Amino acid sequence: SAVISQKPSRDICQRGTSLTIQCQVDSQVTMMFWYRQQPGQSLTLIATANQGSEATYESGFVIDKFPISRPNLTFSTLTVSNMSPEDSSIYLCSARRDRAPDTQYFGPGTRLTVL
Amino acid sequence: KNEVEQSPQNLTAQEGEFITINCSYSVGISALHWLQQHPGGGIVSLFMLSSGKKKHGRLIATINIQEKHSSLHITASHPRDSAVYICAATPPGIQGAQKLVFGQGTRLTINP
Repeated sequence: SAVISQKPSRDICQRGTSLTIQCQVDSQVTMMFWYRQQPGQSLTLIATANQGSEATYESGFVIDKFPISRPNLTFSTLTVSNMSPEDSSIYLCSARRDRAPDTQYFGPGTRLTVL
Repeated sequence: KNEVEQSPQNLTAQEGEFITINCSYSVGISALHWLQQHPGGGIVSLFMLSSGKKKHGRLIATINIQEKHSSLHITASHPRDSAVYICAATPPGIQGAQKLVFGQGTRLTINP
């Protein structure tokens, strides 16, 4: 299995500010994913982050609002920019091992509250 | 209609009861996942299966490809099993590049 850690685990932020969430994987992975889970909802894919290329965003998500970095094969960051209360969600990092591409591992999540 | 449907949405049971959570999907799949999400938000992958049945401790997952249906069973349920259980499908495609399709989750509460 892969171990994924996220920082911070939770935060309370003011409207208009930005927060960067860090995701660290304990082994090298090609594909990393960022999900959002709004209260009472299932997971929604924000973007796929592959090392060495620009992140691919899903419909409804844009780079200006959710810039993503993927500097190496074990690390990624997601920034939630110019936050509003509607951004209050759990943000989850996920990854697939190259040798087991059908198995997907999830991080512990970052619980964000925007006031 | 969602491509992946779970039932029930909420389930409350007494400790020791046998629990069944169902998942039906309308898409073709290469694999189906059962995930567990605890109140803190973190997600644990319980099973990934493409046919038959898998067992891990008190948890059993089955899948019927022809009927496009999977079930997650918990035997001798315990309050620590209380969580949201999520079914997710991996569509066919370039291996490793497919995007998971999630069910809406089943909130399970086991009372002592």
